Amino acid sequence: DAGVIQSPRHEVTEMGQEVTLRCKPISGHNSLFWYRQTMMRGLELLIYFNNNVPIDDSGMPEDRFSAKMPNASFSTLKIQPSEPRDSAVYFCASSLRRGMVVTGELFFGEGSRLTVL
Amino acid sequence: SQQGEEDPQALSIQEGENATMNCSYKTSINNLQWYRQNSGRGLVHLILIRSNEREKHSGRLRVTLDTSKKSSSLLITASRAADTASYFCATDLYSSASKIIFGSGTRLSIRP
Repeated sequence: DAGVIQSPRHEVTEMGQEVTLRCKPISGHNSLFWYRQTMMRGLELLIYFNNNVPIDDSGMPEDRFSAKMPNASFSTLKIQPSEPRDSAVYFCASSLRRGMVVTGELFFGEGSRLTVL
Repeated sequence: SQQGEEDPQALSIQEGENATMNCSYKTSINNLQWYRQNSGRGLVHLILIRSNEREKHSGRLRVTLDTSKKSSSLLITASRAADTASYFCATDLYSSASKIIFGSGTRLSIRP
């Protein structure tokens, strides 16, 4: 398996532009997580999905952020409009969940490094 | 807010020595996991310990869990230069299905 695939790996954009980050989870996994990592705030959970359904989006910073998972093999995180403070590395991770518990490890993608000028 | 806080924030040891990192958390958990992150890369899972377990081993790694103190420790024995990385604990919260929260991390440097 190729692992969790994220794109783009690097994105530089100007303030006000729309940014779309993409994630392909590992086939067969039914939980997907979006995290944001910065030096100041560490790793923050933004949103997670179980069986393509958003379960908790309380970590999404503002209405400018939205996430979708239209099917089991694809998710997007969109920022519109982007701001310089959104600059961070955004990670997607997937895992297998049975019942109420994630049964094992999270598999992370390599991240999307976003710079908003 | 972060569920886990790691201690120390940074640790520098000589190659061959043992490294111990600690993690404290606030609420009840289903399990606790440790991850490693090399600079510029994604996180890699190291070990998972369930809430009903007290100790677990994997190669040079030893993890302990004390649910009464809401704390865990990660011991890396006989450290190597390749162990230089940041280490994070992650808690699967009991009250929220599959909500996995990461701590602030420990930066480990191994001196040759």
